[in-house]
Amino acid sequence: GEQVEQRPPHLSVREGDSAIIICTYTDSATAYFSWYKQEAGAGLQLLMSVLSNVDRKEEQGLTVLLNKKDKRLSLNLTAAHPGDSAVYFCAVSYNNAGAKLTFGGGTRLTVRP
Amino acid sequence: EAAVTQSPRSKVAVTGGKVTLSCHQTNNHDYMYWYRQDTGHGLRLIHYSYVADSTEKGDIPDGYKASRPSQENFSLILELASLSQTAVYFCASSDWGVQYFGPGTRLTVL
Repeated sequence: GEQVEQRPPHLSVREGDSAIIICTYTDSATAYFSWYKQEAGAGLQLLMSVLSNVDRKEEQGLTVLLNKKDKRLSLNLTAAHPGDSAVYFCAVSYNNAGAKLTFGGGTRLTVRP
Repeated sequence: EAAVTQSPRSKVAVTGGKVTLSCHQTNNHDYMYWYRQDTGHGLRLIHYSYVADSTEKGDIPDGYKASRPSQENFSLILELASLSQTAVYFCASSDWGVQYFGPGTRLTVL
């Protein structure tokens, strides 16, 4: 079945710097890619999702890049601030109703003032 | 806005006891899911459902049952709770590829 590797597991950056998180997946049929943010003691908040026909998507200081050839998905937080400190998960699925998600292992991001 | 709620938000149970976790969604989604998250790890799928009165096994169903009495409600049942089932449990609903999560239930089995 699908396997998703996420790195790094821990990331610490200074306020204003960029933070980049990368996921690699194995199944070329994977078609839906999402990023979630989990703050301490809370559930998963959907940040952004893209279909496989999208290479790049930007929203509110976040950039998602999809490289289908290398089966790599990345999330770039530009100008990170302390409120971005959280655990981030990538999740992938097939593009069909109710498709099961396969999650990466998570990245704990700390943004230092 | 999509809304998934869970109850209780936290629970302490005794080993061998029965535990029921409840989930309610107002999204009108057909699909609902139960995941568990262990400290420092990602989410693993326990059970899911695509229609009322039907449930399917996920990746780690052993020790858990699920019930979907209506489109809006999805329960996770631990008939005989064990220490290894201490975790945070998340419910989610989805329409197409994207899942919306509840706030989670922290379960501690003693």
